[in-house]
Amino acid sequence: DQQVKQNSPSLSVQEGRISILNCDYTNSMFDYFLWYKKYPAEGPTFLISISSIKDKNEDGRFTVFLNKSAKHLSLHIVPSQPGDSAVYFCAAKTVSNYQLIWGAGTKLIIKP
Amino acid sequence: NAGVMQNPRHLVRRRGQEARLRCSPMKGHSHVYWYRQLPEEGLKFMVYLQKENIIDESGMPKERFSAEFPKEGPSILRIQQVVRGDSAAYFCASSSTGGHEQFFGPGTRLTVL
Repeated sequence: DQQVKQNSPSLSVQEGRISILNCDYTNSMFDYFLWYKKYPAEGPTFLISISSIKDKNEDGRFTVFLNKSAKHLSLHIVPSQPGDSAVYFCAAKTVSNYQLIWGAGTKLIIKP
Repeated sequence: NAGVMQNPRHLVRRRGQEARLRCSPMKGHSHVYWYRQLPEEGLKFMVYLQKENIIDESGMPKERFSAEFPKEGPSILRIQQVVRGDSAAYFCASSSTGGHEQFFGPGTRLTVL
């Protein structure tokens, strides 16, 4: 029972263009969402998060959008850079709980 | 300000041996989480500990696996009598009290021959 789904295993984007990574969830109790980036042979690195009371959070080149009615969130990276090539994980939790529930990840490839 | 540290980074064990994985949380963090990642999969929660207490071990196999976070020293994830299916990357994360974000170490890659 996958509560957090990242349906695209991989995504290829031209350098300088926008990268959009998507994530869907099924548990309506989730109220906090996080994006992590992971390079091979390293641990996940926290990127950006959003609370369910917001629909957008921005940090530099990274913006996360949350659509609660659709149970969908997306991460926008603009402009995309070669160093953004990595696997991106979406994770969700309830504010009152510590457990992060993870998606399977999307491998982003930035083409020069 | 050091991040989360894990050692060893790579561990090779033969079937039936014991594996000990260590994790030192970020300074000021008292909450430690262990995750396992199998190839082509996301991270799976194993156990959540605070100092000297196991809060939730619902994701950890009932047999052969144990975890501790003593008052002094790192958190230890121990796997007894390893089998080939235990081969995976094991990640440790830590958080501050009340913090939503978990910060991860570099992981330990366990290979069981």
